[in-house]
Amino acid sequence: AQSVTQLGSHVSVSEGALVLLRCNYSSSVPPYLFWYVQYPNQGLQLLLKYTTGATLVKGINGFEAEFKKSETSFHLTKPSAHMSDAAEYFCAVTDYNQGGKLIFGQGTELSVKP
Amino acid sequence: DTEVTQTPKHLVMGMTNKKSLKCEQHMGHRAMYWYKQKAKKPPELMFVYSYEKLSINESVPSRFSPECPNSSLLNLHLHALQPEDSALYLCASRKEGGRTDTQYFGPGTRLTVL
Repeated sequence: AQSVTQLGSHVSVSEGALVLLRCNYSSSVPPYLFWYVQYPNQGLQLLLKYTTGATLVKGINGFEAEFKKSETSFHLTKPSAHMSDAAEYFCAVTDYNQGGKLIFGQGTELSVKP
Repeated sequence: DTEVTQTPKHLVMGMTNKKSLKCEQHMGHRAMYWYKQKAKKPPELMFVYSYEKLSINESVPSRFSPECPNSSLLNLHLHALQPEDSALYLCASRKEGGRTDTQYFGPGTRLTVL
């Protein structure tokens, strides 16, 4: 069975500092991995995804993530945090055996201090 | 265009009411999903439709009744709900296939059951 673990339910950084949100997955097949962001009272917006090919993927708003098969990780980074990055972030993997549903991590709330 | 629309944005209903949530996409996606999200939690899958047929029901109570009238439209009919059903209801559609496999989410309907 596939699963996703996000380390740290809450991460706080200063504006301009590096953002690092951790995601580890478990999958018996090559995974499709996603990062979504959710602002208060809104739906989920796709930040970036890894399906095949290049292991370093770039997304919107300056975020990027690197797929590391040996570490079963897909950590999300951004070199310089902005106040507008404050939100909930979800890492997810596709479960092909269940109609392609997304298996989500528990989420990480990112706070950005001025 | 990767837009999924949902109406209404907010809904307040009593336990004896009947109401419906609507979801629409015009991206030609043939897989559509209903998720339920409680505060500070990841989305939980409720139903999956594939080619307008219900393919997965995650043991959802019968007071929730999904319907897929055509390939662009997904409804969720609500009847005799309980206060614990109050949540954000998210619809998603999925572009299937290889590197482009992605789920796109709507903005959600915030449901309050009194």
